[in-house]
Amino acid sequence: EPEVTQTPSHQVTQMGQEVILRCVPISNHLYFYWYRQILGQKVEFLVSFYNNEISEKSEIFDDQFSVERPDGSNFTLKIRSTKLEDSAMYFCASSNIIGGGELFFGEGSRLTVL
Amino acid sequence: AQTVTQSQPEMSVQEAETVTLSCTYDTSESDYYLFWYKQPPSRQMILVIRQEAYKQQNATENRFSVNFQKAAKSFSLKISDSQLGDAAMYFCAYRSANTGNQFYFGTGTSLTVIP
Repeated sequence: EPEVTQTPSHQVTQMGQEVILRCVPISNHLYFYWYRQILGQKVEFLVSFYNNEISEKSEIFDDQFSVERPDGSNFTLKIRSTKLEDSAMYFCASSNIIGGGELFFGEGSRLTVL
Repeated sequence: AQTVTQSQPEMSVQEAETVTLSCTYDTSESDYYLFWYKQPPSRQMILVIRQEAYKQQNATENRFSVNFQKAAKSFSLKISDSQLGDAAMYFCAYRSANTGNQFYFGTGTSLTVIP
């Protein structure tokens, strides 16, 4: 069964460093998302991506963040100059339709900023 | 923005018994979708059940069913004949049918199944 895969599963970084989280969405999906979940808090929307551009982003997704689909299969989230409060689980998701279509999630990448 | 509230951080149920997880949401829209996702420990979230707001009939998937009360903006999940494998974090989610494509999630309910 096709699934969304994410790497790394866990990354520890020093404050101020840049981090790239990688995702391989399900191959025939067209819509891609990043969500994050700070420990003990709700899952929060960061950004959605369609047709090689951002279609929607939240207030959290400021200039520190960027997304890219560099090669037609990977979907990356870059976090520049990481802060302590960026420590969270980051989930990638994809879907093949909008509206009522479900999201298929990856297992998440746990980011720890020291 | 829409908000989704899950007022039960933790729930427990005896194996083979029935448990209901609560979810309420706030929206001014009339057309939307509601979802329950399950997140087992160290695993990805998977869809349990989905409800279209325009449908009056409650969705059912095997042992999982919902009680969708549109006027009350309530969307509870009932798990019948609970099994050990049902132990997980359960998230309620909302998605507009018209504006944007993001999901809004609740804070989750951690379900423990007692053998």
